[in-house]
Amino acid sequence: DTGVSQDPRHKITKRGQNVTFRCDPISEHNRLYWYRQTLGQGPEFLTYFQNEAQLEKSRLLSDRFSAERPKGSFSTLEIQRTEQGDSAMYLCASSSNTPGQGPNGQYFGPGTRLTVT
Amino acid sequence: GQNIDQPTEMTATEGAIVQINCTYQTSGFNGLFWYQQHAGEAPTFLSYNVLDGLEEKGRFSSFLSRSKGYSYLLLKELQMKDSASYLCAVRDRRTTDSWGKLQFGAGTQVVVTP
Repeated sequence: DTGVSQDPRHKITKRGQNVTFRCDPISEHNRLYWYRQTLGQGPEFLTYFQNEAQLEKSRLLSDRFSAERPKGSFSTLEIQRTEQGDSAMYLCASSSNTPGQGPNGQYFGPGTRLTVT
Repeated sequence: GQNIDQPTEMTATEGAIVQINCTYQTSGFNGLFWYQQHAGEAPTFLSYNVLDGLEEKGRFSSFLSRSKGYSYLLLKELQMKDSASYLCAVRDRRTTDSWGKLQFGAGTQVVVTP
């Protein structure tokens, strides 16, 4: 396993459509995070999972956003009724909280760039 | 919540040293991270400080003062490939474990000139 992977890398959609992104974390990592990043800004936290449990959701995550990690491995982030303001890079990261395993940092995937027209 | 400030842009010449400062105000603290991000790419982990002092890793060093809410990233012997955005991030304190979410600054764009 060489790192965190995300699919698709780019997505162009029309306003009002639904989109779904997938993230596959580093296999031994039990924590998975979603962030959103717009141009010139740092990533903003959206939500995170420990195994299959969603432990925290940001106020940024409106009702149109939903994330799942059904088997504690890959995760999906769905945006319903997309708006132009949703255009951003969506980043997934993973980390391990098992004592003695893994570094302290969160490791990021390449991101999915969403453009809503 | 957290407030994280870092300069927007810095320019330096190849071979020189650049120091990127980061100040933060937090309601809880459990570690400060530095990430490098090239345009259009994901952030890559550079360094981690949780105790006061200097952590050195090759050409990169990171310093933390918790009492001052201050960190810096020092880049030595600058190379053209070091041109990137450098993100300072603070990890929340958790009540049950220590692996909370990261709050990022807006990033400092470092431009290395020949």
